[in-house]
Order: sequence, then C-alpha cells, then structure tokens
Amino acid sequence: ETGVTQSPTHLIKTRGQQVTLRCSSQSGHNTVSWYQQALGQGPQFIFQYYREEENGRGNFPPRFSGLQFPNYSSELNVNALELDDSALYLCASSPTSGSRPEQFFGPGTRLTVL
Amino acid sequence: RKEVEQDPGPFNVPEGATVAFNCTYSNSASQSFFWYRQDCRKEPKLLMSVYSSGNEDGRFTAQLNRASQYISLLIRDSKLSDSATYLCAGYNYGQNFVFGPGTRLSVLP
Repeated sequence: ETGVTQSPTHLIKTRGQQVTLRCSSQSGHNTVSWYQQALGQGPQFIFQYYREEENGRGNFPPRFSGLQFPNYSSELNVNALELDDSALYLCASSPTSGSRPEQFFGPGTRLTVL
Repeated sequence: RKEVEQDPGPFNVPEGATVAFNCTYSNSASQSFFWYRQDCRKEPKLLMSVYSSGNEDGRFTAQLNRASQYISLLIRDSKLSDSATYLCAGYNYGQNFVFGPGTRLSVLP
C-alpha cells in the first residue's frame, strides 16, 4: 500500500453538475499531482500542487481546478461536467522535488457522467 | 507525435517466456523514467525507476538508451501474476510525468 488515499471510490453524476474529489498524500510527501485516465489510455496530467500552490498544469480547461491544504491533502474540482469527463481520476504523491521524484498513486476515483 | 509511445500490444506469452516492451520518448530533456504496472481497474504501481542507463530487480530489467531515446523493460521467466498493463513514464525535473498509453501483457498457462 502506498499510503495515498482517495475518496470517494466511485461517483455517478449527470452532465452540467459539479464534482469534488479528495486525496490524502503519503506521510512525508508534500507534492500532489492529479491525473485523468480514460479507458485504454495512460494517465493524463491535470495539475500538480506543491506547498499549496499550483505547480504545473496539463492541457485541461479551467473548469478543472484544485486546492492543496496545509496538511498536503488535496481536492480536484470539476465544474460543468461533460460526458467525456468519465474516467478514473488518480492522485499521486511524491516527496519534495529532488533527485528521486517517484510518484505513488492512490486507488483512484471512478467518475461516470451520464 | 505523442511524447511517450509504447508497443501497442497486447502481448500474449506462455508462462516461463521472456518478454520485452519498448517505450520511446520525444522530449530529449526527460531525465528520469519509470515503469509502472497497472492491474485491471486498479491504480498504477511503481515497478522500476530508471535514472541512469538501467536498473535490474529480480526478473525485471530496464534499460535506457538516451541516444535513441527509448527505454525497454525485460521480464524473464514470466509468471501468470505478471499479467497486467505496463506503463512507461518520462519525467523532466521541474515538469511533470508524461505517461505512455501502456502495453498489455497476458501470461498464459
């Protein structure tokens, strides 16, 4: 087990709704990254948070937003849900950027948009 | 062209076989590479990190060729439990991880 937890495990929403996904990072890790993984694809980088600041963003629209809290846990918010947002959302934590930047994933939240 | 590409697979091999996957990357600034395995409907789990020319861990060997911009993963003496999707990822310090689409492996009895 990586020690990274995510909630909820599954979620069903309808188009236009908003969703908040949560992640607790592994102890000692202050960097959290979020990924979207569609079926049959590799994880796609959404954004990364380091010390409560966004520290890089992938090619996702502004309706994908996030937060990191002082305890390094994080939230991913998606507004105005679209059918194509249906995917596995993965959170990964890593220690302070340095010479060994391994990322460890949580179990993911499977989002279905109807 | 995608930044990280992998053999499309699927690879179907008998137990005990040796199998190799290739992963190519286009960003020459990528400095570290990782192999993850992902079981069906589960999260990726880190299998191996590659910081220099290669790494070996038991039956698994990863080799990095910076000149040709590819990383390979070799699995010897395949087990049924090796059946999974194998994801390759590149990392550039100060940037983010970029994953390939994955290669599916089925080890058959």
